[in-house]
Amino acid sequence: SYVLTQPPSVSVAPGQTARITCGGNNIGSKSVHWYQQKPGQAPVLVVNDDSVRPSGIPERFSGSNSGNTATLTISRVEAGDEADYHCQVWDTSGDQYVFGTGTRVTVL
Amino acid sequence: EVQLLESGGGLVQPGGSLRLSCEASGFVFSGNAMNWVRQAPGKGLEWVSAISFSGGRTYYADSVKGRFTISRDNSKNMVFLEMHSLRAEDTAIYYCAKDHSPNYPLYYLEYWGQGTLVTVSS
Repeated sequence: SYVLTQPPSVSVAPGQTARITCGGNNIGSKSVHWYQQKPGQAPVLVVNDDSVRPSGIPERFSGSNSGNTATLTISRVEAGDEADYHCQVWDTSGDQYVFGTGTRVTVL
Repeated sequence: EVQLLESGGGLVQPGGSLRLSCEASGFVFSGNAMNWVRQAPGKGLEWVSAISFSGGRTYYADSVKGRFTISRDNSKNMVFLEMHSLRAEDTAIYYCAKDHSPNYPLYYLEYWGQGTLVTVSS
């Protein structure tokens, strides 16, 4: 089955840029979606289709996808961005959703 | 406003059964596929199952195939997850989620409920 790999944690100072990677075999050929999950809350979609922001998501959130790596970038990081971030694809070979292992973003 | 309200979670013994429900509002329920996603304590997200807009097509994770059954009632705006032969490793918060797509291929999860906790323990 298809596997998505994320770093367990990323630390960033306020006002700096956080980059969260999601690795998968030829992931650039798939559409990647990202979810933010704050402690004790349900996930929220922050980027769909590699780089599209849903309504209400700040412009500070952006995404890219190429080759074997997709990346979620958070610019001008704020304390409120501290959360777990999960990438996701639909695996057509297995007819299943696949989630990444998740990355905890800590704002220093 | 889209709202998804899960219910039916609780404590169940290993080998037991449980039925989860999700009541949807704020959108045309019969126009979208629906999903269940779970999260074990301190772990990441694991997709469990999906059902197409009409209920005519269902999908399951390998870990629950043959034990869980997803269904929906479009007249009541509800989706269900029937769980049998429950194991300790099924312990998790179970989230109901609205799919962007109506049918195959599924795409991404636009909205999530707040979840219901299932604990499998003796």
